[in-house]
Amino acid sequence: AQTVTQSQPEMSVQEAETVTLSCTYDTSESDYYLFWYKQPPSRQMILVIRQEAYKQQNATENRFSVNFQKAAKSFSLKISDSQLGDAAMYFCAYRRETSGSRLTFGEGTQLTVNP
Amino acid sequence: DSGVTQTPKHLITATGQRVTLRCSPRSGDLSVYWYQQSLDQGLQFLIQYYNGEERAKGNILERFSAQQFPDLHSELNLSSLELGDSALYFCASSVGVNEKLFFGSGTQLSVL
Repeated sequence: AQTVTQSQPEMSVQEAETVTLSCTYDTSESDYYLFWYKQPPSRQMILVIRQEAYKQQNATENRFSVNFQKAAKSFSLKISDSQLGDAAMYFCAYRRETSGSRLTFGEGTQLTVNP
Repeated sequence: DSGVTQTPKHLITATGQRVTLRCSPRSGDLSVYWYQQSLDQGLQFLIQYYNGEERAKGNILERFSAQQFPDLHSELNLSSLELGDSALYFCASSVGVNEKLFFGSGTQLSVL
């Protein structure tokens, strides 16, 4: 079974600084997708960024970028120029190529942004 | 706003009771997914429906059941409720089975 591990229950960053959230996963599949979701206090699950395993290029969405290391099964999220609105719980998630859109989530990392 | 509507937003009930959670997917989405978020288990996939048919099952208890109706809305039925069933229940939808998921804002269930 696939597992996703986020080893940092909590992280904090100063406003305008950069922070990196870690995620590792375990799979025997070669084709899959990885995601970072953000859950602010409103509880809404918001997709931040997505990475296809077959792509070597790391995905980027504005201030959010990932470092995808397929051999190491590592998928970290870098948030640049952190803003107060980035404060949220961040979940790393995995999806097999053939499992439809069913996601396996990590435990989450609570990010605090200090003014 | 994701376009996925879940009702009610909050539900408080007692042990042994039965409740129904409702989800209306985004217009045009055929797939509906149910997830449970609890402090103990984290975020877990429960079940998926595609165009009215069950497509995949995850860690869903036998006391729980779901269905997707012809108008594509879905209901999650939870019966013989226990304290441990207290959780945030999310519905998500997608156009097909391999497409981007859009999450609703969840139903917070409290079993007292």
